[in-house]
Amino acid sequence: DTAVSQTPKYLVTQMGNDKSIKCEQNLGHDTMYWYKQDSKKFLKIMFSYNNKELIINETVPNRFSPKSPDKAHLNLHINSLELGDSAVYFCASSPPAGYQETQYFGPGTRLLVL
Amino acid sequence: AQKVTQAQTEISVVEKEDVTLDCVYETRDTTYYLFWYKQPPSGELVFLIRRNSFDEQNEISGRYSWNFQKSTSSFNFTITASQVVDSAVYFCAPHPPEYGNKLVFGAGTILRVKS
Repeated sequence: DTAVSQTPKYLVTQMGNDKSIKCEQNLGHDTMYWYKQDSKKFLKIMFSYNNKELIINETVPNRFSPKSPDKAHLNLHINSLELGDSAVYFCASSPPAGYQETQYFGPGTRLLVL
Repeated sequence: AQKVTQAQTEISVVEKEDVTLDCVYETRDTTYYLFWYKQPPSGELVFLIRRNSFDEQNEISGRYSWNFQKSTSSFNFTITASQVVDSAVYFCAPHPPEYGNKLVFGAGTILRVKS
């Protein structure tokens, strides 16, 4: 049973295209996150939702739009893809957001923009 | 301040050696939690350990142990008798309330264990 799953695992696309990454968790958690890992392995938060409500929105271009249809799903839509968007995107989830909670990560989606 | 430093960019050891990964961070909070994650070559992020700032007693779990020192804001992680399967990137992520509802990761330490 996969706890946090992401689709697709790999995504290769051309500049200017629009793409979506889906994330689902079956842990019963209330909070979900999107992180970006660049080519140098730096990991940084992008967004966080708590029970479908946006609670963290870091300095991310507005070409990136998260959507949470329910608390078990958090999707990431990217418009007008640019070369610099190439990275690995990780979804994570945790019990209600708090500094004491462990975040569990999905397998990552490797995005390559050509 | 949200600063997490893993000064060791890369460490190479021979199998069965012990290895310690360093992590230093900045926070004004006195109560917080700290995490270590592992990223093997396959790419996923695996949760390893979580501990709180209340108790500075060092802990051991199997081949893993960690040394937390609040006075120096350090949270070091030791693997005893390393194995080739331990080869991975290791990330430290302290999580004090002042960092907000997010993990702030260090830059990671690449560990290579050779047979």
